[in-house]
Amino acid sequence: SQTIHQWPATLVQPVGSPLSLECTVEGTSNPNLYWYRQAAGRGLQLLFYSVGIGQISSEVPQNLSASRPQDRQFILSSKKLLLSDSGFYLCAWISGGFTGELFFGEGSRLTVL
Amino acid sequence: KQEVTQIPAALSVPEGENLVLNCSFTDSAIYNLQWFRQDPGKGLTSLLLIQSSQREQTSGRLNASLDKSSGRSTLYIAASQPGDSATYLCAVTTTSGTYKYIFGTGTRLKVLA
Repeated sequence: SQTIHQWPATLVQPVGSPLSLECTVEGTSNPNLYWYRQAAGRGLQLLFYSVGIGQISSEVPQNLSASRPQDRQFILSSKKLLLSDSGFYLCAWISGGFTGELFFGEGSRLTVL
Repeated sequence: KQEVTQIPAALSVPEGENLVLNCSFTDSAIYNLQWFRQDPGKGLTSLLLIQSSQREQTSGRLNASLDKSSGRSTLYIAASQPGDSATYLCAVTTTSGTYKYIFGTGTRLKVLA
């Protein structure tokens, strides 16, 4: 069966420090991968999506970047964190192509101080 | 631009009550509509996926319906239980060529014992 893993689960970082959140999917090949952010009291905001290795589409101009170095690995990064980067980051993948069912990881909670 | 709205934002009901959660979207040209459940501090769990050619889906005590022409979906929960307490989110995939899931802000449900 397919599973999706995210780490770290919780992260507290100072302003200006770098960030790396990692997501891996098991049990499938060539998945479409997504990074969402959920700020307190707000809905899910799509940040990046990827349809293949090295292919990244950005939805919102911001302080973050994404990379897909391997088929089932998706990484969210920042060189210098801002206070506004705090939030709950969720990785997701779609089964069955673009119009399939969306599945989420457990999330990574980032607090920037 | 697709917008998804969920009303009410919060709902509190006594145990055993049947209830309906609402989801509306502005652009009827969608592929899928998916309902999710989110427990506090956790990722999203997929509940039901309704593809554009379908009118409803059922899983246990849950029934979701879709009316594309009116831009509405409802999630019906029968015989609610305290364990159903969570935030429920709906999301639609667009047909704009980018195949993204657009989320509503959710309905926070509390079932009182």
